[in-house]
This record gives sequence, structure tokens and C-alpha cells, in this order.
Amino acid sequence: QSVLTQPPSVSGAPGQRVTISCTGSSSNIGAGYDVHWYQQLPGTAPKLLIYGNSNRPSGVPDRFSGSKSGTSASLAITGLQAEDEADYYCQSYDSSLSANVVFGGGTKMTVL
Amino acid sequence: QLQLQESGPGLVKPSETLSLTCTVSGGSISSRSYYWGWIRQPPGKGLEWIGSIYYSGSTYYNPSLKSRRVTISVDTSKNQVSLKLNSVTAADTAVYYCARHRELWNWFDPWGQGTLATVSS
Repeated sequence: QSVLTQPPSVSGAPGQRVTISCTGSSSNIGAGYDVHWYQQLPGTAPKLLIYGNSNRPSGVPDRFSGSKSGTSASLAITGLQAEDEADYYCQSYDSSLSANVVFGGGTKMTVL
Repeated sequence: QLQLQESGPGLVKPSETLSLTCTVSGGSISSRSYYWGWIRQPPGKGLEWIGSIYYSGSTYYNPSLKSRRVTISVDTSKNQVSLKLNSVTAADTAVYYCARHRELWNWFDPWGQGTLATVSS
């Protein structure tokens, strides 16, 4: 069971807006540690999508956005496209144990 | 452009040691203020951080793994980071990725393409 909780799956039609939640606790997200998001297309390595809660690396479309509040974070995708069908993971840091980088369990995004 | 490439035997027998190497190109592994991490992904499952090494050689391991099983090291002469995982079982079958991060709590970027290691007799 992951320290960060994500819904196993979400879906949406092309053009819609979908969100993926990442719920943590007072020892990770709630302690002020940043949340980062990755997109993993089938058969490929994860790719950085959002860093520092809400920042997009160069080349990531502005359809992708991130936010953080309290012990949770969210990834939003607007104008959903077929190529957005992928697995999405959140990542943060947990201070309850020594030096622990933590990932969410991942969310499978299906474009209907 | 920094690139990372994992390599190692695809098949390891139970109870033996899994040894993987991450070769870095397009930049020096000795660059200050960077950590080099290993992350694994069992087939059909999510990502798990194994551990990271600072450019100076300090290591940090996932406390949920039995830390005595894991050793991460750097070879600056070869610009490589290595992972050794001993006493492997079928549960260690996974795609293993290496990736760079600036601080332990920072994002991983870039990632290597990953290498599949299967534990089977």
C-alpha cells in the first residue's frame, strides 16, 4: 500500500477536463514537501510532467496543471486528448522514516 | 543533453545478487549537488524508490527495503552508478530505472529507459 493515495483509474472523453488526486498525510505533503507528477506511456519510462506542485518543464503542454492544498495535491488535464492515455504518478518525500522518497500507486487515465 | 542508460543481466537466480549499472552521458556524475537514484517497477505495478547516492558518495535507502540487501555506489572514472541487490526473490522482478534528482525531495529528471531484471531459476 502506497504512502500517497491515488485513484486506480479515471476516464474522460476527448476535450473534457479530468483531475487526478494524490492524498498524503502530515508527514509528507502536509509537512510542506513538494509534489511532482510523472506521465508513463505504455512501455516507456516515466516522464516528468509537473514539478514543485505546479511547474511545467519545457515542452509540457499547458493543458497539464498541478496544485497542492493541505495534505493533498491534484493534477488536472484540460482539453483531454487521445495521447494523454497513460499512467500518472505523484511523488513526494516523507519525513516519518529516514530519507524516504515516496510515490503514489499510480492512476490509469483512459480516454473514452 | 544528459542521458542515462541502465544495463545488466536480464535473468538472475533466486538468492543470488542482482547487479545493475547506470551509465551517464552528456554530463559528469561528479557534478555538484546532484543525487542519482534507482527506482523499480514490478510488472503491472507502480513505482518504488530503492535508494539514491549523492555525488559525494553518501547513500540513502528506502527504509521499507531491507537496507542490508541494497548497495548503491558510484564510479566516477566510468561515469557510472551501480546497484547491487542481494538475496533476490521473485518479488524483486521488475524494470529498474536510474534517474537524477537535485535533492532527495526533488523531482527525478531525466530517467533512463529502464532494464528488466527477472528473478527465476
